[in-house]
Amino acid sequence: TQLLEQSPQFLSIQEGENLTVYCNSSSVFSSLQWYRQEPGEGPVLLVTVVTGGEVKKLKRLTFQFGDARKDSSLHITAAQPGDTGLYLCAGAAAGGGADGLTFGKGTHLIIQP
Amino acid sequence: DSGVTQTPKHLITATGQRVTLRCSPRSGDLSVYWYQQSLDQGLQFLIQYYNGEERAKGNILERFSAQQFPDLHSELNLSSLELGDSALYFCASSVESKGWYTFGSGTRLTVV
Repeated sequence: TQLLEQSPQFLSIQEGENLTVYCNSSSVFSSLQWYRQEPGEGPVLLVTVVTGGEVKKLKRLTFQFGDARKDSSLHITAAQPGDTGLYLCAGAAAGGGADGLTFGKGTHLIIQP
Repeated sequence: DSGVTQTPKHLITATGQRVTLRCSPRSGDLSVYWYQQSLDQGLQFLIQYYNGEERAKGNILERFSAQQFPDLHSELNLSSLELGDSALYFCASSVESKGWYTFGSGTRLTVV
């Protein structure tokens, strides 16, 4: 069973601060995705990273895939209240096998005005 | 609106009962995935269908079953319900068998 560990589990910071959340595993993934989920809604895809060492930027969000494709990080610069939500990482198994994505338990992020 | 439609949005039922959750995938998507989300376990993969055929199974209980119909909509059947089955149930769809998912808004099931 592939497991994805996300840290921290909860994070509450002030508007304007920077933060980084982590997604770690002992397994190799063919790709890794980050989703954001708001209360009462389903997760919404933010980004997919495929290549080891890949860095993708989405406005104030920077996503990095580890060189060994076992871990990833999400960095938010100058956080805003609209960034509040549950951030989930999800990995697709390398080498075939079950197609369902494996999700981490998520990081609950609260940005206080 | 993500394009993935789940009904009902809320469901309250008693222990021992049976319920059916419905999902219509985004237009053009052939794969449907079912996930269960609870506070302590996070999002748990239950089952996947691709173009009408079961493709992968995750942590799905024997009391649960699913199917995908020719029009590609899917139903998740939960029977002999227990208090611990209370959770959010999400359906997601994707164009191919792998790739990124589009999630529906979920069905919140409460078993009392």
